[in-house]
Amino acid sequence: DTGVSQDPRHKITKRGQNVTFRCDPISEHNRLYWYRQTLGQGPEFLTYFQNEAQLEKSRLLSDRFSAERPKGSFSTLEIQRTEQGDSAMYLCASSSGVGEKLFFGSGTQLSVL
Amino acid sequence: GNSVTQMEGPVTLSEEAFLTINCTYTATGYPSLFWYVQYPGEGLQLLLKATKADDKGSNKGFEATYRKETTSFHLEKGSVQVSDSAVYFCALSLFQGAQKLVFGQGTRLTINP
Repeated sequence: DTGVSQDPRHKITKRGQNVTFRCDPISEHNRLYWYRQTLGQGPEFLTYFQNEAQLEKSRLLSDRFSAERPKGSFSTLEIQRTEQGDSAMYLCASSSGVGEKLFFGSGTQLSVL
Repeated sequence: GNSVTQMEGPVTLSEEAFLTINCTYTATGYPSLFWYVQYPGEGLQLLLKATKADDKGSNKGFEATYRKETTSFHLEKGSVQVSDSAVYFCALSLFQGAQKLVFGQGTRLTINP
């Protein structure tokens, strides 16, 4: 069990650029979650997958955001035309099933200049 | 709506002191309640949880009791250690089918030797 890994750890980009983050969940965890955490606040739910199916998206996830989990293993989160308000820590978590505890990755820190 | 309010931080204590971090919640149903901890440079980790009223969650010397009448889930520890220094997040979940957590803003705890 190597834990949930996220890549990159840090990303600095200019406003208007597109960025993509990757999350590798714990092997055989069928549920995968994305959260966003801004400075001084707790994480906020963005979206989650069961296997390859995206089952729910928060209203926080504007149409500039898209998440995929094509083979039910790793996931990517893409932000198009980044804005300064997108600067945050993006957290990924996985679990083995219904009601099971979440295991969080260390996150990707995005800074939009 | 659903929300979690935590005691403002930062909190600084001496080693072996008694710790309380207050947490209250507002929910439209009957939530499960959680405490997560984030050590420096690491991902969020589940510390303890309680799924129904009067349940007590406990782990690593920390305890919290689900109080429906006061809508609270205060975190306590009788004797803190330097290694307990971290950020603590209270959270709720209303959805047993998915761990769609609503977090408080976090409380930074520093323990001095």
